[in-house]
Amino acid sequence: GIQVEQSPPDLILQEGANSTLRCNFSDSVNNLQWFHQNPWGQLINLFYIPSGTKQNGRLSATTVATERYSLLYISSSQTTDSGVYFCAVERTGTYKYIFGTGTRLKVLA
Amino acid sequence: DGGITQSPKYLFRKEGQNVTLSCEQNLNHDAMYWYRQDPGQGLRLIYYSQIVNDFQKGDIAEGYSVSREKKESFPLTVTSAQKNPTAFYLCASSISGRETQYFGPGTRLLVL
Repeated sequence: GIQVEQSPPDLILQEGANSTLRCNFSDSVNNLQWFHQNPWGQLINLFYIPSGTKQNGRLSATTVATERYSLLYISSSQTTDSGVYFCAVERTGTYKYIFGTGTRLKVLA
Repeated sequence: DGGITQSPKYLFRKEGQNVTLSCEQNLNHDAMYWYRQDPGQGLRLIYYSQIVNDFQKGDIAEGYSVSREKKESFPLTVTSAQKNPTAFYLCASSISGRETQYFGPGTRLLVL
């Protein structure tokens, strides 16, 4: 089956710093989503991005499907950005999403 | 407000007991999903449903059962056959199977 790898597994930043999170996947996919899980467990969808680039405020994402990776950029990080960031990919033709193991981000004040 | 609700927030199961987790959505979404999350891990798909009265097994369906009798409801039963049920259970929905997924707040299941 598809393997989804995220890097780095852990990241500590000072408030105001920028960061790039990476998601690599081992096979072609229909769709890709990025999520943020807050310390209380709630998952929030950040981007639905099967290809191309999208921006939402301080966050942006780029997916290069032909090269099987996606990047999530966080600029001017804030303490509220802390939590775990997951990417999830849909196996082609299945409606099933496979989640990566996540990047755990801690932003220090 | 539109959204997804899950209940209860915490659930305790005794050995040999079946328990049912509730998931309700008022977003008028066709597709609904159940995921399991173990500590420090990503989410794994248990079951999903694209339409009322139809559902499919995910990657870890053994020991679980679901029903989809109404569009807005997708309850998950953790049966006694699931030997290691302690986990965080998350329900999600989307307009169709390929759109943005929206998640409920989750249910933490613990075995006594």
